[in-house]
Amino acid sequence: EVHLAESGGGLVQPGGSLRLSCVGSGFTFSSYWMSWVRQTPEKGLEWVANINPDGSERYYVDSVKGRFTMSRDNTKNSLYVRMSSLRVEDTAVYYCVRESLWLVPDFWGPGTLVSVSS
Amino acid sequence: DTQMTQSPSSLSASIGDRVTFTCQASQDISNSLNWFQQKPGKAPKLLIFDASNLEAGVTSRFSGSGSGTDFTFTISSLQPEDVATYYCQQYSNLPPTFGPGTKLDV
Repeated sequence: EVHLAESGGGLVQPGGSLRLSCVGSGFTFSSYWMSWVRQTPEKGLEWVANINPDGSERYYVDSVKGRFTMSRDNTKNSLYVRMSSLRVEDTAVYYCVRESLWLVPDFWGPGTLVSVSS
Repeated sequence: DTQMTQSPSSLSASIGDRVTFTCQASQDISNSLNWFQQKPGKAPKLLIFDASNLEAGVTSRFSGSGSGTDFTFTISSLQPEDVATYYCQQYSNLPPTFGPGTKLDV
């Protein structure tokens, strides 16, 4: 059974940093593109970034370019996103997502809440 | 970025009804469209990809159609477990973008 589990969310002040992690199981993690997608009640669902199976390609939404860095460690079946210079508008539930095909998110983790507030 | 709109924003229907939502893209996205179902407190679930392909394990009561800029999602016979919010997402252009959702009540 496919399983994704995010961790690392929490409360951080504006300008601060946070690293989210995601561990995958039940599938060959190293064969899949992986994404982060975030959601707020106000803005809805927003794709944040994705990374190719070997970690050599990454794509980001413009609003996080230069502030977020996505990475993966296939030896640990793990996905990461390092978030820096956090803004209030980065507050959201962050989902770790597997892509079955390019940009087709076929499996989502339960999400982790990031709150950016002073 | 490609903007996605959905209508209606909310819909109330009865068990057994045939229900249809629509999704419109601000530019031609061919058939690069996904449909998701999200229940309260849960992550979205992929229902349909490539506009009309049913994801494995998803009930055949769900179907999708369309291409270019106009798309439709249909539930052939509404069931109580279908209460949820439904989102479309385009993946023809980076960044992939989601519609604002249609909230379905019974």
